[in-house]
Amino acid sequence: DADVTQTPRNRITKTGKRIMLECSQTKGHDRMYWYRQDPGLGLRLIYYSFDVKDINKGEISDGYSVSRQAQAKFSLSLESAIPNQTALYFCATGDSRKGANVLTFGAGSRLTVL
Amino acid sequence: KQEVTQIPAALSVPEGENLVLNCSFTDSAIYNLQWFRQDPGKGLTSLLLIQSSQREQTSGRLNASLDKSSGRSTLYIAASQPGDSATYLCAVGNTDKLIFGTGTRLQVFP
Repeated sequence: DADVTQTPRNRITKTGKRIMLECSQTKGHDRMYWYRQDPGLGLRLIYYSFDVKDINKGEISDGYSVSRQAQAKFSLSLESAIPNQTALYFCATGDSRKGANVLTFGAGSRLTVL
Repeated sequence: KQEVTQIPAALSVPEGENLVLNCSFTDSAIYNLQWFRQDPGKGLTSLLLIQSSQREQTSGRLNASLDKSSGRSTLYIAASQPGDSATYLCAVGNTDKLIFGTGTRLQVFP
C-alpha cells in the first residue's frame, strides 16, 4: 500500500457540486499539505497543517476548505465547484523532525469540473 | 513574493547527452532548494535537496548546484537515458513550505 493515499484518483463533476478529496497517510508524519497543479503553472499551495489543531492558508485558498480529522487524514473540500478548479490535486506529508520540506507526495487526484 | 522560473519548459535530447536544467528564484532568503521528478500518473519524487548553506548535491548521474546570491540552481544530468524522461520540478523552501517552479518536461529518445 502507498504511504500517502489520495481518493478519488479521478473525478468528473458538474459546476456547483460539493466535492471532497481525501488524503490518508501511514508515515506517521505531523505535517500535511494540499497542492494543485495546472499546466504551465507548477504546483501551488492551497492549505497546509502542522498538526490536528493547526490549519494554514496557502497562496490559493479561496474556494477551498480543509479538515484535519486525525493526524493521518487531511481532506480538501470544494463547497461549490467551478470549472477553473479543474486541475490535478496533490496531497503531501512531512515530518518536522526530519527537517523542513522533506515531503512525501500522493499520486494525485485529477478533478474535472464541467 | 517568491517566484520560481524554470527554463527550458521542454527539452528533447538523444540518449547519451549530458544536459542542464535551469531554475531561478527571485528571493535569495531561502531555507533549502529541491529538485523533484514527476512521472505521469504518479506523485513527485525528490531527487536532490540542497540546504541554503550548501553549494551542491550529487546522486548518481545527477548533480544539483545552488547559487543563492544570484538566485539560481542547475540540475545536471549526465549520460541521459530514455528512463530519465519525465517532468523535472524545482522548488524553493522556507521553513514552512515549498514554492514550485513551472517545470521542465524532458524527453530522452533512443
